[in-house]
Parts: sequence; structure tokens; C-alpha cells
Amino acid sequence: AQSVTQLDSHVSVSEGTPVLLRCNYSSSYSPSLFWYVQHPNKGLQLLLKYTSAATLVKGINGFEAEFKKSETSFHLTKPSAHMSDAAEYFCVVSGSNDYKLSFGAGTTVTVRA
Amino acid sequence: ETGVTQSPTHLIKTRGQQVTLRCSSQSGHNTVSWYQQALGQGPQFIFQYYREEENGRGNFPPRFSGLQFPNYSSELNVNALELDDSALYLCASSFGRANEKLFFGSGTQLSVL
Repeated sequence: AQSVTQLDSHVSVSEGTPVLLRCNYSSSYSPSLFWYVQHPNKGLQLLLKYTSAATLVKGINGFEAEFKKSETSFHLTKPSAHMSDAAEYFCVVSGSNDYKLSFGAGTTVTVRA
Repeated sequence: ETGVTQSPTHLIKTRGQQVTLRCSSQSGHNTVSWYQQALGQGPQFIFQYYREEENGRGNFPPRFSGLQFPNYSSELNVNALELDDSALYLCASSFGRANEKLFFGSGTQLSVL
């Protein structure tokens, strides 16, 4: 079985400052890991995914995440937050060729002007 | 926009009633997955349909059932509604059963009174 734990339920940053969203995973075998974003009244959108290739994964809108097996972590970062980054972010794990995604509880990001 | 459409967008039912939610998948996709997202939580996997057959199921009771049609659109049916069924129901389509790239709809918000 696999699961993820998002370590922060809320993160508040000022516009133009870095964003860090923390995620730890638990998996009995090599997992696939994802970050999804959910804006109000919109569907979930894939930001990036890790599938056992490069450990540093670049995604859309300037986001990137680093897979650290020794720490069982997959933290999401962005160098400079924009107002449009305010949303709910989900860390997600799946087994290879698995049919389901297991979501974390989510982190709400607010961006202050 | 992802090309995945769900209807209705909002629905109010009373306890004990039955409900049908609909999902039209993105063109070319043959797999549909359904997720339940309770308020303040991450989405939970309900089941997946691949080429009109159930391919996997999460920890949901049998009163949650589904269908996939030859055009790969899908329905989620819930019988004997309970108050705890109040949630956002998300549909995601993909090509193939693995989760490398899911496209989510905006969801149906179900309220059970």
C-alpha cells in the first residue's frame, strides 16, 4: 500500500518570494509521484510527475519537485510566487501501472500582495 | 480546459434517494476514473472503468456503482444516499489503465440533506 503525508495544511507567502510545499511518501516499491493543483471551481490539473527517471522534475508554471528516496520526500518548490498560484495543492502517489491515485490531504496556498 | 465534462455541476438530494452523475471523457480516451472529495480532504478513489468494464475499486460500498458506455462516457450511481455522501465527485479520463496522465473534470457538488 502507498500513501502520502502533506506536512503543511496551509502555506502563506508574499508575492515574489519562494514557495515550499512538503510531502513525504510511503510505498512498498518504486512509486510514481505527482503534484496536482486545484483552483476554485476548476478541475485538478497535473503540475508534474516523477516516474523513476531524473530525480529533479520540472513542471508547468515554474514549479519543480525533487525526489529523495533516502528521505522518502517529494517536496514542491517555486522560486517566486505569483498571485495566480493561490490554490489547493495535492501530493499524489501511485504504484507503477496502478489504476488508482492516492491523494494527500492537500495544502492551501495563499499569496499576499 | 481538459475536455472532460461533468453534469450536473450541483445537485441537492435528500437522505435515502438515488442519484446519477454523468461524465463525458476527453476525445480518444478509453478509461474513466471516479473520485470522491469530501470538504477539506483529498480525493478518494471510487472505481475505474476501462473499455466498459470495472477495472478496479476503492473502499466504497456496493451502493456506489458505475457504467461506461461504448462511447466511453460514464455514469456514477449512488443508491440510498447518506449524509456523508455529500462531497465533490470528480471524473477523470485517460488513455489506458495506468495513471500517467489523467484529465479531470470540474466535478459535481452533491449535497445530501
